[in-house]
Amino acid sequence: QKEVEQNSGPLSVPEGAIASLNCTYSDRGSQSFFWYRQYSGKSPELIMFIYSNGDKEDGRFTAQLNKASQYVSLLIRDSQPSDSATYLCAAQRGDSNYQLIWGAGTKLIIKP
Amino acid sequence: GAGVSQSPRYKVAKRGQDVALRCDPISGHVSLFWYQQALGQGPEFLTYFQNEAQLDKSGLPSDRFFAERPEGSVSTLKIQRTQQEDSAVYLCASSPGLALSYEQYFGPGTRLTVT
Repeated sequence: QKEVEQNSGPLSVPEGAIASLNCTYSDRGSQSFFWYRQYSGKSPELIMFIYSNGDKEDGRFTAQLNKASQYVSLLIRDSQPSDSATYLCAAQRGDSNYQLIWGAGTKLIIKP
Repeated sequence: GAGVSQSPRYKVAKRGQDVALRCDPISGHVSLFWYQQALGQGPEFLTYFQNEAQLDKSGLPSDRFFAERPEGSVSTLKIQRTQQEDSAVYLCASSPGLALSYEQYFGPGTRLTVT
């Protein structure tokens, strides 16, 4: 069974601090990884994707990938109350170039 | 431009009824996905269309689920003889390309409640 695991949270972080969200995956064939944000009652929206080992930065967001450890993370710097949402990690299924395997999400709460 | 739209937004069905859920993707998007999202869970892949061709239906839970995209644009997900375990949000997503290097744009979802 191909799986993506996330801590369900909630993860509570003070405003202005760094929020760190983590994800592990079981499919060693996975090559692409995605972080989506989902506000309560809304649909997922793409935050970042990463293909290569290392860090990828986009504004306040940094995605980190370690394929050897099968670990993906998302760092949010200078956290804002508007960042409060559920963050979904998704991994490309190794034998597909279009199918994603999704984690259950981590609920993030930014406290003013 | 307009995003992905889905209708109805909410549907209550009695067990055993058939339902049809509609997805209008972004114009020109080649790829269309259907997902099922249970409360507190991530989306689960149901099926994938490339234009009008259904290339993958491996995620459909049973033969009561059927999806089509006859003209390569609008898609319909049909569930026959609904069961309580079908209660979930059904998400449609479209993408301009053929692989995951293209972003998937999600519709608002249809919340199905089977009573």
